[in-house]
Order: sequence, then structure tokens, then C-alpha cells
Amino acid sequence: AQSVTQPDIHITVSEGASLELRCNYSYGATPYLFWYVQSPGQGLQLLLKYFSGDTLVQGIKGFEAEFKRSQSSFNLRKPSVHWSDAAEYFCAVGPIQGAQKLVFGQGTRLTINP
Amino acid sequence: DVKVTQSSRYLVKRTGEKVFLECVQDMDHENMFWYRQDPGLGLRLIYFSYDVKMKEKGDIPEGYSVSREKKERFSLILESASTNQTSMYLCASSFLAGGPGTDTQYFGPGTRLTVL
Repeated sequence: AQSVTQPDIHITVSEGASLELRCNYSYGATPYLFWYVQSPGQGLQLLLKYFSGDTLVQGIKGFEAEFKRSQSSFNLRKPSVHWSDAAEYFCAVGPIQGAQKLVFGQGTRLTINP
Repeated sequence: DVKVTQSSRYLVKRTGEKVFLECVQDMDHENMFWYRQDPGLGLRLIYFSYDVKMKEKGDIPEGYSVSREKKERFSLILESASTNQTSMYLCASSFLAGGPGTDTQYFGPGTRLTVL
């Protein structure tokens, strides 16, 4: 069955430090991969997505992610975090069973130390 | 910008009550989704709809039903609310073009439902 694993439930980094959030997936074909961010009290906003082509994908707010088929991973990175990046981050994979469904990971909560 | 709105940000109901959660999108999207979000479990799909009057069960449909009478509106119904349905409920929509699963889902702000 399709699944997404975000191994880190909670990560704390200092402002200005680099960030990498991990995402591993299990999927039987070429996946479509997404990273979403949820700020406190808000809905989810798309950061970036990968469908095909260049495996390094650029997103909004200075984020990027790299698709590594051999490792079944789609890790999110940012070279220098800002206090406003404190949020929960979700990785997702689709399509599921030929339908317009996504499977989401458990989420990683990011805390920024000043 | 796509806008997905949900009727309430916070809702408190009693066990056994019938609860309606409303979602409206303004971008003429074909697909609409209802998720529940619980700590440590991420988002789990309850129901989705790819057209008016069409619906498909998600991963956790038990205790819920949905209604889509108009393209822009997708309602989630808790027939008899129970305490284990206390959760954050998120609505999303997406455009069909590009094929199944390929389109970005746009999310509403969520409704935090508490069932006492």
C-alpha cells in the first residue's frame, strides 16, 4: 500500500541555520510528490511539487526539495531559516488508486530558536 | 487566488447532535475533499467528490456522510456526533485538468470541532 513517512515528529533549529526535513514514500509507480506547510491556526499551503523532469525542485519561501528515486525520498531543504518558518510541514504522495487522492505523512513540527 | 472557505473556525457540539460542516470554493474546481487532522496522524481522507452529486469514500468514512449539490459547495455531515470525532477538519479543492492526483489541492483554514 502507498505510504509516506516523515521520521522526525519535531525539529528545532536556530534562526539562520540550514534545515532538512525528511520524507520517505512507498509507491508502486512514478509518484507525484508534494510538500505543504501549515502555519499555526491556518490551512495547508503548497510549498512545492514534483511531477517529472529535474529532480531538484524550487518552491516558495526559499524552499527546495530533491527527488531521489533510489532512496524513495523527497527531502525538503532551506539554506537559512527565518523565525516565520516555524510551522508544521507535510509531505504527500499521489495519485492513489487512479483517483485524485493524496496520502499525507504524519507531519514534522518545526520550532525556530532565536 | 484560489479561496476555500469553511463555515466555522471553531465549533462545539454535544454527543448525539447532527453536525454540518460547510466548505465553499470559488475557483470552479471539480474535485473537493474532506480530511481530518489529528496530532501524530497527519491528514486522513474522509470523503472526496469529483463532480456534483458524486462522492467516493476515503480512508475513514465511518460516522460521516457528505453532500455535493452544487459544484462550489461540499458539506460534511456527522449524523450523530461522538467524542472521538473531536478533531480539526480540513476541506480542500483541486482542478481536474492534468489528470488524477496531479493537481494541487487548495485548503481551507479548517474547523476545529469539539464534541462534548
